[in-house]
Amino acid sequence: AQTVTQSQPEMSVQEAETVTLSCTYDTSENNYYLFWYKQPPSRQMILVIRQEAYKQQNATENRFSVNFQKAAKSFSLKISDSQLGDTAMYFCAFMKYIIQGAQKLVFGQGTRLTINP
Amino acid sequence: DTGVSQDPRHKITKRGQNVTFRCDPISEHNRLYWYRQTLGQGPEFLTYFQNEAQLEKSRLLSDRFSAERPKGSFSTLEIQRTEQGDSAMYLCASSLADYTFGSGTRLTVV
Repeated sequence: AQTVTQSQPEMSVQEAETVTLSCTYDTSENNYYLFWYKQPPSRQMILVIRQEAYKQQNATENRFSVNFQKAAKSFSLKISDSQLGDTAMYFCAFMKYIIQGAQKLVFGQGTRLTINP
Repeated sequence: DTGVSQDPRHKITKRGQNVTFRCDPISEHNRLYWYRQTLGQGPEFLTYFQNEAQLEKSRLLSDRFSAERPKGSFSTLEIQRTEQGDSAMYLCASSLADYTFGSGTRLTVV
């Protein structure tokens, strides 16, 4: 079974600093997708960034980038120039195909990130 | 179409009562998912619909839980004889490819 582990329950940094959130996962599959989601107090899960396992190049979306180490099964998220609006719960997730092209997400426990002014 | 809508936003119920939640997906999305998120944890998969067909159910979905998606549009999740352990956030998501999540229904069983 796939599992996703986030070892940092909480993190706190000053505005404009860079922060890295850790995630490890376990799977025997070779082709898969990994995601980072953000859940602010409004509760809606928002996609931050996705990574296809077959791509060696690390994904980047503006201030957000990942360090994907397939052999080590590690998938960390780096937030550069952090902003107050980045304050949220961050979840790492593994996408597993279930049936007829549909996918389910397996989430980690989450990291609560606070950006301080 | 502004996204995935869930109703109600909050629900407080007494133990033993039945509750029903509604999810309205993005209209062109044929895939719909329900997840449960307990306090301090990540969401866990409950069930999946493709159009009106329920194609996958988690073992978390006990016989007190039932989900429907009539006509492949909105979906409902019903919990019968609620227990305190059912207290959680119930999230709905729809997709063509990437998921779009709703804001969830927070259930408190007292």
